[in-house]
Amino acid sequence: QSVLTQPPSVSAAPGQKVTISCSGSSSNIGNNYVSWYQQLPGTAPKLLIYDNNKRPSGIPDRFSGSKSGTSATLGITGLQTGDEADYYCGTWDSSLSALHVFGTGTKVTVL
Amino acid sequence: EVQLVESGGGLVQPGRSLRLSCAASGFTFDDYAMHWVRQAPGKGLEWVSGISWNSGSIGYADSVKGRFTISRDNAKNSLYLQMNSLRAEDTALYYCAKGGKAGLRYYFDYWGQGTLVTVSS
Repeated sequence: QSVLTQPPSVSAAPGQKVTISCSGSSSNIGNNYVSWYQQLPGTAPKLLIYDNNKRPSGIPDRFSGSKSGTSATLGITGLQTGDEADYYCGTWDSSLSALHVFGTGTKVTVL
Repeated sequence: EVQLVESGGGLVQPGRSLRLSCAASGFTFDDYAMHWVRQAPGKGLEWVSGISWNSGSIGYADSVKGRFTISRDNAKNSLYLQMNSLRAEDTALYYCAKGGKAGLRYYFDYWGQGTLVTVSS
């Protein structure tokens, strides 16, 4: 089971904004960088945000990331039908079993 | 253009072994960590294993520790995952993912399309 908790789903109309939360602990989000991934239906995940708030080349500035304490947030503004996908947060967990962890995943629906 | 192409998946009986491969191109392979991430049907992402640029650091998820072995051949730009004592719960799409930096603890910036492993009698 994942150690990072996300809401199962969020939805909004085209053009609106959604935010997705990712809650962890001091051993993961609290002391490590967070990344976010978009997985369109039937495709491989794609990096959206890294190092908490940086966007790779080619990712529009409609996508933003932030971190505070042991939680992180992904924001999507100007929602488009093409944004319908599953979104996952991820980070390193520095506990005894040092490893990467992912969030439970959030399905974004454009109404 | 970065390309990651997985191979080696298939149907295997419980308790048997399988070896996955990932052929990488479009970047300097030995500058980056590499990882395997899996996704069971209809489920979320699970990190399986990672290996640093020079194989000096290796990590495994608890669920596969002692059964799976990750390795890389920098001369061949290839990543491998030897999977032994396979279980039904190992059934998943296995993705090869490129690390963002040389060490293990960073993000995954490119992903392959995955190879499907089905463990069933």
